[in-house]
Amino acid sequence: DADVTQTPRNRITKTGKRIMLECSQTKGHDRMYWYRQDPGLGLRLIYYSFDVKDINKGEISDGYSVSRQAQAKFSLSLESAIPNQTALYFCATSDSRQGTKNIQYFGAGTRLSVL
Amino acid sequence: EDQVTQSPEALRLQEGESSSLNCSYTVSGLRGLFWYRQDPGKGPEFLFTLYSAGEEKEKERLKATLTKKESFLHITAPKPEDSATYLCAVRSGGGADGLTFGKGTHLIIQP
Repeated sequence: DADVTQTPRNRITKTGKRIMLECSQTKGHDRMYWYRQDPGLGLRLIYYSFDVKDINKGEISDGYSVSRQAQAKFSLSLESAIPNQTALYFCATSDSRQGTKNIQYFGAGTRLSVL
Repeated sequence: EDQVTQSPEALRLQEGESSSLNCSYTVSGLRGLFWYRQDPGKGPEFLFTLYSAGEEKEKERLKATLTKKESFLHITAPKPEDSATYLCAVRSGGGADGLTFGKGTHLIIQP
């Protein structure tokens, strides 16, 4: 089983709909992240969380919200989806106890299409 | 603002033909430079992390090096299974805790 699991793997939705992408991890890491990947743009940080009570905006948080339900679960919501949110979304985790050797481990991704 | 530029965007090599991928960066206080491999339809897979100029790491046919302005990923005698997109990312001392990624180098190794 994967250490970082994202659901669903693929999702097609319509403009204006609210959707949620979910991420769960069994690595025991305290930090979790959401990125989006667009062709020609690379991965960009949406939100990150140091623990259940500490959530921070990343580079491109507008139009998104997150919830850290437990140390192992971090969900990303699109309140009202729009077509330019069509992208590949990745969840990642890291262990702050590693200090500067803070490696991020990624899930397999969710491919989202907004029509 | 942290910036990462990777070159070339794409590279096609024959099996056994060695080459290097480049990652140049500007960052306020480098706290780590990371190399990842990404296969189609999958998430990035961690390869190496480098922290200070002069540092080198090796894994099978791959070797990563770091200077104060850039990093190289050297691929020696590559095989078709080395075909993938290679991503470079930096973690800085300021701003968000996340990584700043380059756009990647798409590497194809032909048999």
